[in-house]
Amino acid sequence: KQEVTQIPAALSVPEGENLVLNCSFTDSAIYNLQWFRQDPGKGLTSLLLIQSSQREQTSGRLNASLDKSSGRSTLYIAASQPGDSATYLCAVKDYGGSQGNLIFGKGTKLSVKP
Amino acid sequence: DAGITQSPRHKVTETGTPVTLRCHQTENHRYMYWYRQDPGHGLRLIHYSYGVKDTDKGEVSDGYSVSRSKTEDFLLTLESATSSQTSVYFCAISDYNRNYGYTFGSGTRLTVV
Repeated sequence: KQEVTQIPAALSVPEGENLVLNCSFTDSAIYNLQWFRQDPGKGLTSLLLIQSSQREQTSGRLNASLDKSSGRSTLYIAASQPGDSATYLCAVKDYGGSQGNLIFGKGTKLSVKP
Repeated sequence: DAGITQSPRHKVTETGTPVTLRCHQTENHRYMYWYRQDPGHGLRLIHYSYGVKDTDKGEVSDGYSVSRSKTEDFLLTLESATSSQTSVYFCAISDYNRNYGYTFGSGTRLTVV
């Protein structure tokens, strides 16, 4: 059974710092991996989607990498800002279509201090 | 989120009453999902649909039923609400043309008293 783990559970950094959030998964046979952001009391906003054949994806100050063989993904946030404060969720999909469920980690709660 | 809306946004109901939550999409995506989010458990799949009238159970389906009579609408029904079903419910959509990336709705906060 696929399990997704995110470390650390919480992280506090000063504004301007570059940071890395970690995600690991137990079964490397994944279809894709997706990073989400969730603000308190809000829904999930998709940040980056990495297909199993890709090694990384970039969007603005965000860069996500994928190493299937080791079962790991990282989300790199450059020059962090207070507006980046949120919970970041990693999720993996084992198969395409309806055959694969999206399995979520418990998230990393990020706080960026001004 | 653009293209997917959930209603109602908030609901308080009494134990034993039926409750229906609605998810509506304008993206014409084939797949639709219902998740619940609880502290300590994260997001868990309740039911999903892979087409009109085609649905299947997820990880935590007991006490819930779903229906999809049109591509754009996916309904989640709690036949007889219990306090353990107090949660935040999220609908999501995905499709092949978006590489099966998921888009989530804003959620429904349900309280069963």
